[in-house]
Amino acid sequence: QVRLQESGPGLVKPSETLSLTCTVSGGSLSSYYWSWVRQPAGKGLEWIGRIYHTGNTRNTNYNPSLQGRVTMSVDASNYHFSLQLTSVTAADTAVYYCTRDNFRTPIRVGAADSWGQGILVTVSP
Amino acid sequence: DIQMTQSPSSLSPSVGDRVTITCRASQHINDYLSWYQQKPGQAPKLLIYAASNLPSGVPSRFGGSGSGTDFTLTISSLQPDDFATYYCQQTYSTPQTFGQGTRLEI
Repeated sequence: QVRLQESGPGLVKPSETLSLTCTVSGGSLSSYYWSWVRQPAGKGLEWIGRIYHTGNTRNTNYNPSLQGRVTMSVDASNYHFSLQLTSVTAADTAVYYCTRDNFRTPIRVGAADSWGQGILVTVSP
Repeated sequence: DIQMTQSPSSLSPSVGDRVTITCRASQHINDYLSWYQQKPGQAPKLLIYAASNLPSGVPSRFGGSGSGTDFTLTISSLQPDDFATYYCQQTYSTPQTFGQGTRLEI
């Protein structure tokens, strides 16, 4: 069974760059999309973006609400993918989850069938 | 962006009750609709995919229906372990979007 684990700094200063990595174990990155979702304390889920296992930019999608501050990358040979969010503010404080989006049969529709445990990132001086 | 609207926002059912949560998409999404269950301090867990399909291990008291713009999550007989927050999500187009959540409270 595939497992996902987020890692990275838990505290980032305003205006700096948030960098997180998701390590995948128990399975390959091949033939899946890999996403990031965040959740501010006490609030709902926000989709940040996704990247295909090849890392091809044509198969990379970001949420326009983040106004071009997001970059994702993948290193399939080392079983991890990454998120960078630039120019962070307090509004970016949240629990960040990495997920596997499954478009393969039978799930087919890209549901997030595996989630990391989440990592709390706080933006504060 | 496709807006996902869940109702109700919260519910206080009793154990054994039949519970229904609805999710409406602002435009047609075929069956690209998933439901997730989230308990406090935990990551969401996939409950239903493609509107009506249960992943392995999800109890059969959970059911999903709908297509197009209107979808329903039903819990046929609520169990103590089911008190949680439930989210719908569309994966028909990007940005993927979630409903605001429905909290089942004791």
